[in-house]
Amino acid sequence: QQPVQSPQAVILREGEDAVINCSSSKALYSVHWYRQKHGEAPVFLMILLKGGEQKGHEKISASFNEKKQQSSLYLTASQLSYSGTYFCGTEDFGNEKLTFGTGTRLTIIP
Amino acid sequence: NAGVTQTPKFRVLKTGQSMTLLCAQDMNHEYMYWYRQDPGMGLRLIHYSVGEGTTAKGEVPDGYNVSRLKKQNFLLGLESAAPSQTSVYFCASSYSGGLNQPQHFGDGTRLSIL
Repeated sequence: QQPVQSPQAVILREGEDAVINCSSSKALYSVHWYRQKHGEAPVFLMILLKGGEQKGHEKISASFNEKKQQSSLYLTASQLSYSGTYFCGTEDFGNEKLTFGTGTRLTIIP
Repeated sequence: NAGVTQTPKFRVLKTGQSMTLLCAQDMNHEYMYWYRQDPGMGLRLIHYSVGEGTTAKGEVPDGYNVSRLKKQNFLLGLESAAPSQTSVYFCASSYSGGLNQPQHFGDGTRLSIL
């Protein structure tokens, strides 16, 4: 079963902040985040492995709450280059593969 | 660095025709994956391989077959193409050690079945 991402789409002005959520009905081992620009391949952003772990990548960071089976991606002071569709991929225990969410389309306008 | 290369980039088929999509990686990765991407559906796993000579089914394997005869190549076959298989197909690979490794994606193959 695919993880649920929210919101499905969001439009921001440059400099505003955004939060993208990813929730699963299964206990999770790890959560991956990827960004895909229109017509291009998904690009890896970060992996969160442990419950409660937080990671940062420039102005993009994420948290993973193992107990709640969810992860959140935080985009701070968004830039035009952050536009794209963001996907979370979840790995539940005992699996060798990721299950991706349906994506969150982020549009940054000047 | 080439990374993950998919061939062809575009293809139009008629219903009932067969074809093979090729994925090649030069990073010595053990794990390889085939996904399809449809509007509003995200990435759905078709088949995957955890090493040379091994394959396994993903979420949506029906109508597809795969082979991993060489470590660097992962082939996806459509035996009898159907319009429902119109999609963008992505291949990905990752280093051994399970899923605490990022997946590296190819540029995709856009396939239309008429």
